[in-house]
Amino acid sequence: DTEVTQTPKHLVMGMTNKKSLKCEQHMGHRAMYWYKQKAKKPPELMFVYSYEKLSINESVPSRFSPECPNSSLLNLHLHALQPEDSALYLCASSQPDRRNSPLHFGNGTRLTVT
Amino acid sequence: AQSVAQPEDQVNVAEGNPLTVKCTYSVSGNPYLFWYVQYPNRGLQFLLKYITGDNLVKGSYGFEAEFNKSQTSFHLKKPSALVSDSALYFCAVRDSLNTGNQFYFGTGTSLTVIP
Repeated sequence: DTEVTQTPKHLVMGMTNKKSLKCEQHMGHRAMYWYKQKAKKPPELMFVYSYEKLSINESVPSRFSPECPNSSLLNLHLHALQPEDSALYLCASSQPDRRNSPLHFGNGTRLTVT
Repeated sequence: AQSVAQPEDQVNVAEGNPLTVKCTYSVSGNPYLFWYVQYPNRGLQFLLKYITGDNLVKGSYGFEAEFNKSQTSFHLKKPSALVSDSALYFCAVRDSLNTGNQFYFGTGTSLTVIP
């Protein structure tokens, strides 16, 4: 069982909808990540929060808006998505101060944009 | 720049035979290397990491990885493959410069273990 929990597991949304993906970790990690993954491809980094501050934004379109309410929670707000945004969205956490600390992933949210 | 390469998109091995999934790295500074496995419709699962000074690292589910500094490689190995090992495997390196928060993934290797 994963120690990083993502909800919902599946999400279908229209291009005009607003929805949010949620992630929670209880590992005491202070870095949290959003990745996008297409089938059989490596995860693509979207955002990194370190100590609840946004530290990396990989030029992600503004229709994706991250939020880190506290050290355990990470949200991804979605608005006016495109069909090509359909993918598996993965949340992960790690320790920011220890470079041998691995990423721990949740099981993802399978997003379909219609 | 930090990067890892996985030269094989697909590896097939017979059940019971040893398996190897290859990874080479390019880093500035110390290498912080990791292996992950991904089963269908699941997230990436951490298998093992390189520990400085250890040329053979043991991980979960009987997997191990061989670190070779001269060949800049970190190959994943298992002495006897199981059908349940069939999955997608990713090698990754953590940024050893800057903030160290970024991870760089290889392109992935799909492993099929044939009964």
